[in-house]
Amino acid sequence: NAGVTQTPKFQVLKTGQSMTLQCAQDMNHNSMYWYRQDPGMGLRLIYYSASEGTTDKGEVPNGYNVSRLNKREFSLRLESAAPSQTSVYFCASSEAGLFGAPTDTQYFGPGTRLTVL
Amino acid sequence: AQSVAQPEDQVNVAEGNPLTVKCTYSVSGNPYLFWYVQYPNRGLQFLLKYITGDNLVKGSYGFEAEFNKSQTSFHLKKPSALVSDSALYFCAVRVPGDYKLSFGAGTTVTVRA
Repeated sequence: NAGVTQTPKFQVLKTGQSMTLQCAQDMNHNSMYWYRQDPGMGLRLIYYSASEGTTDKGEVPNGYNVSRLNKREFSLRLESAAPSQTSVYFCASSEAGLFGAPTDTQYFGPGTRLTVL
Repeated sequence: AQSVAQPEDQVNVAEGNPLTVKCTYSVSGNPYLFWYVQYPNRGLQFLLKYITGDNLVKGSYGFEAEFNKSQTSFHLKKPSALVSDSALYFCAVRVPGDYKLSFGAGTTVTVRA
């Protein structure tokens, strides 16, 4: 199993450009998540999807959109990139779905390092 | 609202010495507590979690953590640190009924040979 995979690994954008970060998991997990990691701030939740066909906002959703394409894939889109979105982005997945236990473990991808100039 | 604090930005220890990484939490209700480790340029890896039961939880790579409800703490420990334990460690908390996993800011551990 590859676990959680993310593409691309690195990306440089100019302000105003758009892009989509891709995430896929092969563990048959129900829930998927997008986080951003900034120095000294830990990880902050951008969006999550508790099951195929549903998405919800996390702590810092502004400037982002997501699509749960199917059970395996969860993409994050930046419509008009801003320097404040320079960060490392992590996708994660967990087994539990809508009515699952909150005790389940999240598994993380390797991350995408995004720089917005 | 739930929150996690990791009071130390950095922890430095000599190889073979005990390692402790501190974590305190604030939640309404019973917490579910997690530790993750991040090696350079890698994603987060799960180490261990506390759900209920025994306050001492054993996890991967020889790590353990002790849940202390009265002190609202969940400190990560390893009896004998290795150079390969050098990494960034995150504590996280979740409460029943909430999908959100709240992370601390992280503690950088450096183990010197």
